[in-house]
Amino acid sequence: QSALTQPASVSGSPGQSITISCTGTSSDIGGNSYVSWYQQHPGKAPKLMIYDVGNRPSGVSNRFSGSKSGNTASLTISGLQAEDEADYYCSSYTSSTTLYVLFGGGTKLTVL
Amino acid sequence: QLQLQESGPGLVKPSETLSLTCTVSGGSISSSSFYWGWIRQPPGKGLEWIGTIHHSGSPYHNPSLKSRVTISVDTSKNQLSLKLRSVTAADMAVYYCAGHGELGELNHWGQGTLVTVSA
Repeated sequence: QSALTQPASVSGSPGQSITISCTGTSSDIGGNSYVSWYQQHPGKAPKLMIYDVGNRPSGVSNRFSGSKSGNTASLTISGLQAEDEADYYCSSYTSSTTLYVLFGGGTKLTVL
Repeated sequence: QLQLQESGPGLVKPSETLSLTCTVSGGSISSSSFYWGWIRQPPGKGLEWIGTIHHSGSPYHNPSLKSRVTISVDTSKNQLSLKLRSVTAADMAVYYCAGHGELGELNHWGQGTLVTVSA
């Protein structure tokens, strides 16, 4: 199975909103799978930001939101802040007939 | 608060076996609520799922690595282990252990450990 497709980079100014897309297939994103999003700052472990498409773990800002349409999932960050600058990864978790995890290639977010 | 800590050699020779351990503290690896996985990240590149195991079931592996990977759980030591055989330079990466729930949400991560493959 191929990695999920994300744009290599996105950018925005403080206060603006940005959206990162994550495209898969009907076997993963568009199928019976769970989509999560992770934020990773340089030299750090990834941090869970969104799970099950649009749910936020406790402690994650409500500026982060997720959605899905067909084979594409999206992460939106509103009210951009300097500390949002990081790499973002989507993932698809399937556990029906077998268990499989796919990650996207990652998107570098630059806050201008 | 669940904490995970990877440990193992930081340098492995080509064709040898990479062996890592992940020690779980603040909770039980036997918890029915958690699955345990290994993820790696080559320098400057993205995340790659290696495999996942639940303490009561068989492990699942990335098909691209399946023939070389062994993932197991030692409930007596509250540890997760990874063995990757016949390593090459392509296996050089930061290796993370992580815990997730039934929705695949990887909400507990170790700090990661860099493994270099070199003679």
